[in-house]
Amino acid sequence: SQQGEEDPQALSIQEGENATMNCSYKTSINNLQWYRQNSGRGLVHLILIRSNEREKHSGRLRVTLDTSKKSSSLLITASRAADTASYFCATPETSGSRLTFGEGTQLTVNP
Amino acid sequence: NAGVMQNPRHLVRRRGQEARLRCSPMKGHSHVYWYRQLPEEGLKFMVYLQKENIIDESGMPKERFSAEFPKEGPSILRIQQVVRGDSAAYFCASSHGSGRAAAYNEQFFGPGTRLTVL
Repeated sequence: SQQGEEDPQALSIQEGENATMNCSYKTSINNLQWYRQNSGRGLVHLILIRSNEREKHSGRLRVTLDTSKKSSSLLITASRAADTASYFCATPETSGSRLTFGEGTQLTVNP
Repeated sequence: NAGVMQNPRHLVRRRGQEARLRCSPMKGHSHVYWYRQLPEEGLKFMVYLQKENIIDESGMPKERFSAEFPKEGPSILRIQQVVRGDSAAYFCASSHGSGRAAAYNEQFFGPGTRLTVL
């Protein structure tokens, strides 16, 4: 698998349900970032979790990081139709360098 | 505080023409990154620049592609003699050169330029 690979590729749920997306990576990191991209639009930075953090919350978002398994999860609680978007995890290779993105999870929240 | 600005938002070119994509970073940001996104795929790194310097261009094709970030003005991604395979969304991101943002490489993205090559 490549750095920053998301799972599942697509997820369809009903409004009000929770959505969980997973990301795996291969190399050592000092942080991992999650982004949202609405169809045909740019990326919105959601949350950054540092390598010494295990869990972080922001509103309805909860991100976990397990550096021993090189994996992260993004949980969106009480989903809304407006949450419909693609979600990407990204890891920096070295400080001040590129971000490596996964292929993304396409989330559809049905009203 | 304006975010990262890119123009044009949409660009249509015929095969063989040149495409010039512009990116103005966030105020106070001195680092610029360009990424390309093909349909249904994630973003792929192309090039990383600081003012007047190319730091890492390992993701950019050697032929036909060039990038610059002059002392004054926006960063430019230039694609010469475009081909249909260049059709994609091109995103620019910027980051601060120091402090926490630099240590964790927080990047802020523009809305992208969607290039269509006919």
